[in-house]
Amino acid sequence: RKEVEQDPGPFNVPEGATVAFNCTYSNSASQSFFWYRQDCRKEPKLLMSVYSSGNEDGRFTAQLNRASQYISLLIRDSKLSDSATYLCVVKPPRGLSGFKTIFGAGTRLFVKA
Amino acid sequence: DAGITQSPRYKITETGRQVTLMCHQTWSHSYMFWYRQDLGHGLRLIYYSAAADITDKGEVPDGYVVSRSKTENFPLTLESATRSQTSVYFCASSDGQYNEQFFGPGTRLTVL
Repeated sequence: RKEVEQDPGPFNVPEGATVAFNCTYSNSASQSFFWYRQDCRKEPKLLMSVYSSGNEDGRFTAQLNRASQYISLLIRDSKLSDSATYLCVVKPPRGLSGFKTIFGAGTRLFVKA
Repeated sequence: DAGITQSPRYKITETGRQVTLMCHQTWSHSYMFWYRQDLGHGLRLIYYSAAADITDKGEVPDGYVVSRSKTENFPLTLESATRSQTSVYFCASSDGQYNEQFFGPGTRLTVL
């Protein structure tokens, strides 16, 4: 089982649609969680951190379910500019192998007019 | 307001040559990281550094060497480049072990 798994997609949605991404992680003791956005041939950029209580930033809502070991990202009222790859990032506790940051392979989103 | 920069942005080299990729950040972040990104693998950590003169291996360190003599710089050296090291390399920095990371624009390296 991969340490972090995402649906690779692609998700093809019309403008204005609501789309949800899920990400599962294997280490139940993981400390922090993030969603990053990556545009084609560009660097990943932080979209939002994910907190235990859930958090919202405009059209974006992130949630964490520790019991089931997954995080989610909900995008409402999709815009053309939301087209990108969304990366789930999990930071397990420091172990014998040292510090780790685990990136999911990403979910591609295409928003069409 | 440079943030984090990488150089060169593009590099073509030949098998067996030594290549150094540069990374510079202006935030005085303690942590710095090197990743490679390949299709089908996502981002994989090569090396990281918690502070000047403190470095440690990540997931895929073989064939790479790093140093961190100054907080702001974190160069990555491919001692003898191989074709399997053709990739996009991203440098990142963070002000805490569990905080968000900020990425540089990347270096596209091709090894012929």
